[in-house]
Amino acid sequence: DVKVTQSSRYLVKRTGEKVFLECVQDMDHENMFWYRQDPGLGLRLIYFSYDVKMKEKGDIPEGYSVSREKKERFSLILESASTNQTSMYLCASYQGRGYEQYFGPGTRLTVT
Amino acid sequence: AQSVSQHNHHVILSEAASLELGCNYSYGGTVNLFWYVQYPGQHLQLLLKYFSGDPLVKGIKGFEAEFIKSKFSFNLRKPSVQWSDTAEYFCAVNALIKAAGNKLTFGGGTRVLVKP
Repeated sequence: DVKVTQSSRYLVKRTGEKVFLECVQDMDHENMFWYRQDPGLGLRLIYFSYDVKMKEKGDIPEGYSVSREKKERFSLILESASTNQTSMYLCASYQGRGYEQYFGPGTRLTVT
Repeated sequence: AQSVSQHNHHVILSEAASLELGCNYSYGGTVNLFWYVQYPGQHLQLLLKYFSGDPLVKGIKGFEAEFIKSKFSFNLRKPSVQWSDTAEYFCAVNALIKAAGNKLTFGGGTRVLVKP
């Protein structure tokens, strides 16, 4: 069964802290994505990666960076967390065009 | 750039009522279209998808969607909803152009509440 896992379901951090969100997929997919989900705004793409060590900015990359050292793992980094980064963060992986994206359970991050 | 609009943010209806959720997208070329659903406390999961062929697509749990190319629409329907259909529904589009890469563009979501 297809599986995308995220390291934490809930996370509370303080303003200015560096935050790491981890995502792992077991499907050998080349493509991985980080979204944030906010009420009324849907899912907005932060970054995606189409291969190890390759990354592309999404629609809202400011304040975020990513790392993909291994095919199965895609990390989202908040260099200096701010309150406007309080959100639900979703990771997804994807085999390619013609296939669906599979989503992880999400990490609800609160920055105080 | 592609964009996706969902007309309603919230829909409240009673069991056995019919449901139709609107979705319009902005890209004029070839697209792949998706509806995802997120039940309370659960992962996003695929409800149905359209790639080519018959514009009327049937998905899981009795849902269907119709692709109308001339209207740039991909509306979701279910003739008779159940309380268990309470969820948030997202329309998504993948434009088949190189610049879009592999990313999906999502609509803002529609929260559906079905009253028992």
